Amino acid sequence: EVQLVQSGAEVKKPGESLKISCIGSGFTFSNYWIGWVRQMAGKGLEWMGIVYPGDSEITYSPSFQGQVIISADKSINTAYLQWNSLKASDTAMYYCMRSVAGSTIDYWGQGSLVTVSS
Amino acid sequence: EIVLTQSPDFQSVTPKEKVTITCRASQSIGSSLHWYQQKPDQSPKLLIRYASQSISGVPSRFSGSGSGTDFTLTINSLDAEDAAAYFCYQSYSLPYTFGQGTKLEIK
Repeated sequence: EVQLVQSGAEVKKPGESLKISCIGSGFTFSNYWIGWVRQMAGKGLEWMGIVYPGDSEITYSPSFQGQVIISADKSINTAYLQWNSLKASDTAMYYCMRSVAGSTIDYWGQGSLVTVSS
Repeated sequence: EIVLTQSPDFQSVTPKEKVTITCRASQSIGSSLHWYQQKPDQSPKLLIRYASQSISGVPSRFSGSGSGTDFTLTINSLDAEDAAAYFCYQSYSLPYTFGQGTKLEIK
């Protein structure tokens, strides 16, 4: 069974750093794109970027380029989303997802809620 | 970046009604358009892939059509469990993008 299991909810202060994770199982992690999607409270889905664990190729949305860091470690089937200096506006639910290049998102993680507040 | 514009943003409908949601792309994307349903406090779920291909396990009342820049998701005979937000998504060119969403309320 394909599963994407994300790390738990986080509460951080502005300026702090954070790295959340997404562990894949039930499929060959290196052969799929793993991406991240942001959803602010009551709002729509925003595609942030994707990483191909096989060779660590990464593509960011222009809206998120320079704001976050996406990475993956294929040896432990894990993808990451990282912030070096959080802002209150980063408060949102973050979903990881599995995708085939040029195709659908077929599996989603359960979401990781990030709250940034002083 | 390809912009996807959905309409309407919100619709209040009665059970058994037929619902049509449209998604317009800012440039031609062939058939690389997919539809997702998201219920409150849940992850999105794939409903239709490549504009019109059905997905195993998804009720047959959901169908999709279109190509190029104009796409439609149709829900025939709406059920109360269809109360959700619906999003289109393009995988034609990077960065991939979502429409802003359509929220369906059941009266």
